[in-house]
Amino acid sequence: EDQVTQSPEALRLQEGESSSLNCSYTVSGLRGLFWYRQDPGKGPEFLFTLYSAGEEKEKERLKATLTKKESFLHITAPKPEDSATYLCAVNTGNQFYFGTGTSLTVIP
Amino acid sequence: NAGVTQTPKFQVLKTGQSMTLQCAQDMNHNSMYWYRQDPGMGLRLIYYSASEGTTDKGEVPNGYNVSRLNKREFSLRLESAAPSQTSVYFCASRPGAKGEKLFFGSGTQLSVL
Repeated sequence: EDQVTQSPEALRLQEGESSSLNCSYTVSGLRGLFWYRQDPGKGPEFLFTLYSAGEEKEKERLKATLTKKESFLHITAPKPEDSATYLCAVNTGNQFYFGTGTSLTVIP
Repeated sequence: NAGVTQTPKFQVLKTGQSMTLQCAQDMNHNSMYWYRQDPGMGLRLIYYSASEGTTDKGEVPNGYNVSRLNKREFSLRLESAAPSQTSVYFCASRPGAKGEKLFFGSGTQLSVL
């Protein structure tokens, strides 16, 4: 059964305190792994797509990496505006499977 | 750039009432999706349309129907709303090529009393 698990469920960081979010997956026929950011009351906003193990993508303070079983979203020196829920999803063709997300709070 | 537009943004229904959630995209995408998002459950697929003229069930289709009206529009209908359908509903679209990302609308918050 295709499954996506994110950890931790919630994370509180001091401003400037770097950390990582985890997304582990078990799917057959991975077509892509996606990271989204979701702010309260809004739809998910695309961050990254990773297609193969070893691939890395960066955007400002965020860096996403992918292995054969999991992906990490590294947040370097976070700021309060990085507070949001981060969602991981895998695509196996026409369907996407989403994790339940990590709620990140960055305290000034 | 409007992207994916959903209406309404908020709706309150009584048990047994019916309603249709509207979704339109202006990006010429082939594939469109309806998800529901509940606390602790993540985004779950209700129905999707891989291309104009086709629709398929997702993970949680019971109690819902969909119509792909044309390439731009994909509606979700609740025939007889139940409290268990209280949720936030998101429409999404993508070009259709496998591996392409989803573009999401801003959501409809639905409460069924």
